[in-house]
Amino acid sequence: DIVMTQSPDSLAVSLGERATINCKSSQNILYSSNNKNYLAWYQQKPGQPPKLLIYWASTRESGVPDRFSGGGSETDFTLTISSLQAEDVAVYFCQQYYSTPRTFGQGTRLEIK
Amino acid sequence: EVQLVESGGGLVQPGGSLRLSCVASGFTFSSYWMHWVRQAPGKGLMWVSRINTDGSGTTYADSVKGRFTISRDNAKNTLYLQMNSLRAEDTAVYYCARPLSVGVRGVIIDAWFDAWGQGTLVTVSS
Repeated sequence: DIVMTQSPDSLAVSLGERATINCKSSQNILYSSNNKNYLAWYQQKPGQPPKLLIYWASTRESGVPDRFSGGGSETDFTLTISSLQAEDVAVYFCQQYYSTPRTFGQGTRLEIK
Repeated sequence: EVQLVESGGGLVQPGGSLRLSCVASGFTFSSYWMHWVRQAPGKGLMWVSRINTDGSGTTYADSVKGRFTISRDNAKNTLYLQMNSLRAEDTAVYYCARPLSVGVRGVIIDAWFDAWGQGTLVTVSS
């Protein structure tokens, strides 16, 4: 199974500042035949299901604000929020869809400092 | 509008059974693979199972293999999860999730989850 490890477990950032969350996969999830990284990012607020933010590691889902961006390749990935807003307080998860079982990172809790 | 609505959760004793349902609307259900994902209270997300479009192919997490059965009724736009021999560690909110189908070099894969239900809580306790 591919193990996804996020860091940090929690993060406190001031409003308007940048927040960066890391995700590391135990195996390369870049598929060579299409040169795409099989990684997605989700946001989960209390009492709600996860919401898709990013797929193919860096493609924003329709309707997601452009302050959210994804980067990285092969085994190391990042989710960046360029200017933190109050509504971004949530838990963020990365997930690989390169192989089954699908696996998620343990989550990163993002709070306001 | 895509909607997934789960039901069937509740309190069950260890060793007991439950059947979860997920009714889909707003899209052609029979064209999509479907998955179950669970989340223990205060914990992260764990993938449970998936089923292909016509129900002929299923996959399970090792922790539920032999105890859980995923199925679907495309005529009723409904996904199911039959859970037997339940354990305390199965306590979680169970989500049904729709993956986007993506073509890669002629092969269709079930990729990221672009739609989730609100979840149904299963509590296994005596």
